[in-house]
Amino acid sequence: AQTVTQSQPEMSVQEAETVTLSCTYDTSESDYYLFWYKQPPSRQMILVIRQEAYKQQNATENRFSVNFQKAAKSFSLKISDSQLGDAAMYFCAYLEQGGSEKLVFGKGTKLTVNP
Amino acid sequence: GAVVSQHPSRVICKSGTSVKIECRSLDFQATTMFWYRQFPKQSLMLMATSNEGSKATYEQGVEKDKFLINHASLTLSTLTVTSAHPEDSSFYICSARRTSGFYNEQFFGPGTRLTVL
Repeated sequence: AQTVTQSQPEMSVQEAETVTLSCTYDTSESDYYLFWYKQPPSRQMILVIRQEAYKQQNATENRFSVNFQKAAKSFSLKISDSQLGDAAMYFCAYLEQGGSEKLVFGKGTKLTVNP
Repeated sequence: GAVVSQHPSRVICKSGTSVKIECRSLDFQATTMFWYRQFPKQSLMLMATSNEGSKATYEQGVEKDKFLINHASLTLSTLTVTSAHPEDSSFYICSARRTSGFYNEQFFGPGTRLTVL
């Protein structure tokens, strides 16, 4: 079974600085998707960024970018120019393409942004 | 964008009663919806996969008779917590899968906080 590991229960960053959240996963599949979701205090799950495993290029969405290392099964999220509104729980998730379509979530990283 | 709603957002009930939670995809059809449970400061735990017109598929350890799921239309799935007890108190989140070419994206509802007294 696929597993997703987030080894940082909590992280903090100063406003305007850069922070990187770590995620590793385990799978024997070659085609899959990886995601970072943000869950603010409202608890609404928000998709931050998505990466297709077949794409070598790292995904980028404005201040959010990923470092996808397929061989190492690593998928980290970099947040640049951190803002107070970035404070939230961040979940890394895995989705097998063409499979059960079930998302497998990591345990999450709580990000605090200090003014 | 794709919007998923949940109703109610909060519910408080007495032990032994049943509670129904609705999950609706507002601007797309969803043949598949998912129900998650989230305890405080924890991750989302998948409870079951809800398929329109067929029986739900439950994850291991989830009681089918306690958590009844009905997916009667392409825009509505319901989760009924039967004979609720305080240990069923939790945050319940649904997601709806939108089929879009190569990739089927899931969109999440805002969640329902259930408190059983």
